[in-house]
Amino acid sequence: AQSVTQPDIHITVSEGASLELRCNYSYGATPYLFWYVQSPGQGLQLLLKYFSGDTLVQGIKGFEAEFKRSQSSFNLRKPSVHWSDAAEYFCAVGTYNQGGKLIFGQGTELSVKP
Amino acid sequence: EADIYQTPRYLVIGTGKKITLECSQTMGHDKMYWYQQDPGMELHLIHYSYGVNSTEKGDLSSESTVSRIRTEHFPLTLESARPSHTSQYLCASSGISGSGTGELFFGEGSRLTVL
Repeated sequence: AQSVTQPDIHITVSEGASLELRCNYSYGATPYLFWYVQSPGQGLQLLLKYFSGDTLVQGIKGFEAEFKRSQSSFNLRKPSVHWSDAAEYFCAVGTYNQGGKLIFGQGTELSVKP
Repeated sequence: EADIYQTPRYLVIGTGKKITLECSQTMGHDKMYWYQQDPGMELHLIHYSYGVNSTEKGDLSSESTVSRIRTEHFPLTLESARPSHTSQYLCASSGISGSGTGELFFGEGSRLTVL
């Protein structure tokens, strides 16, 4: 069955430290991969997406993610975290012929220490 | 900035009441979706639509119903709300045509509490 796993439910990092959020997927076809961020009481905002091509993709707010097919992973990274990055982060997967239906991981909550 | 709006943002109602969660988008997208999100859990697709008069049930069974009479409007209705329906409901749309997949644009959500 298709699935998305975000192994870390909650991560705390110090402001200015680097960040890596993990995402692993199980998919039979070539995946389309997404990272979304959700602030409290808000909807989801797209950070970045991977469809094809360069496996390192750049997103908004200084985030990047790397697609590693051999590891079925799409980890999100940021070199220096800001207090405003505290939020819930969701990894999502779809395929080209699924009409836009995405499967989401259960999310990683990021806390930022001053 | 995505133009997709949900009302109400917060709703507290008693058991047995009928409720409708509104979702509208001004982007002209054909595809629209409803996801259900419980705290600390992933989003689950409960309904989707590929255009006017097209509605399908998603992967998670839901007692709610939807309609798509206009491209821009995709309301979700619960005929008789129960405490088990307490959740956050997120509406989304996509501008990719046909069976293709692209990014979803989300509304801010409707948080429903049934007492």
